[in-house]
Amino acid sequence: DSGVTQTPKHLITATGQRVTLRCSPRSGDLSVYWYQQSLDQGLQFLIQYYNGEERAKGNILERFSAQQFPDLHSELNLSSLELGDSALYFCASSVLLGGTQYFGPGTRLLVL
Amino acid sequence: DAKTTQPNSMESNEEEPVHLPCNHSTISGTDYIHWYRQLPSQGPEYVIHGLTSNVNNRMASLAIAEDRKSSTLILHRATLRDAAVYYCILRSTTSRGGSEKLVFGKGMKLTVNP
Repeated sequence: DSGVTQTPKHLITATGQRVTLRCSPRSGDLSVYWYQQSLDQGLQFLIQYYNGEERAKGNILERFSAQQFPDLHSELNLSSLELGDSALYFCASSVLLGGTQYFGPGTRLLVL
Repeated sequence: DAKTTQPNSMESNEEEPVHLPCNHSTISGTDYIHWYRQLPSQGPEYVIHGLTSNVNNRMASLAIAEDRKSSTLILHRATLRDAAVYYCILRSTTSRGGSEKLVFGKGMKLTVNP
């Protein structure tokens, strides 16, 4: 158990819908990262937050957004969902910038 | 980000040592070599990292070539639980632009035979 929790574990929704994925980092970790893992693209970095501020963006679509709250949990919002958004979404946290990242168990999203 | 090259897959036998190679010929002086692994149906898991010297921890050892253009992750006694996809990743110690993201390649699938 990495100490990072993600909810929900599974999510099934329809195209055009909007979903919110939640991540609670390890206690004391200020940095949160979101990654997407699909069969064709592998693990891709989406976005990073550090102590509530956006720190870096990767291959994140404009339909996707994220935030980190004062209690350091983070949410990834996916809107106008398409079939291709079906993937595993992982959250990771680290105590230091550039430190070891600890990954949660992921949320499996299926868009029908 | 500097790239790494790993075999697509390897097989080993349970309780035998296994050496997982990684080539990183374009590594820069500020790049750390990190290894993560992903067990089936789980998130990636940190294994080990190093800069120049060989490193040991409870999970594995990391042997780094003198010119740093390659490294080897060593599992001293493979178990069935070590069957996973292993990722060799370079991370710069300088984070200009602010990103400390991990750049995952395709990784290498390790199969452990009982």
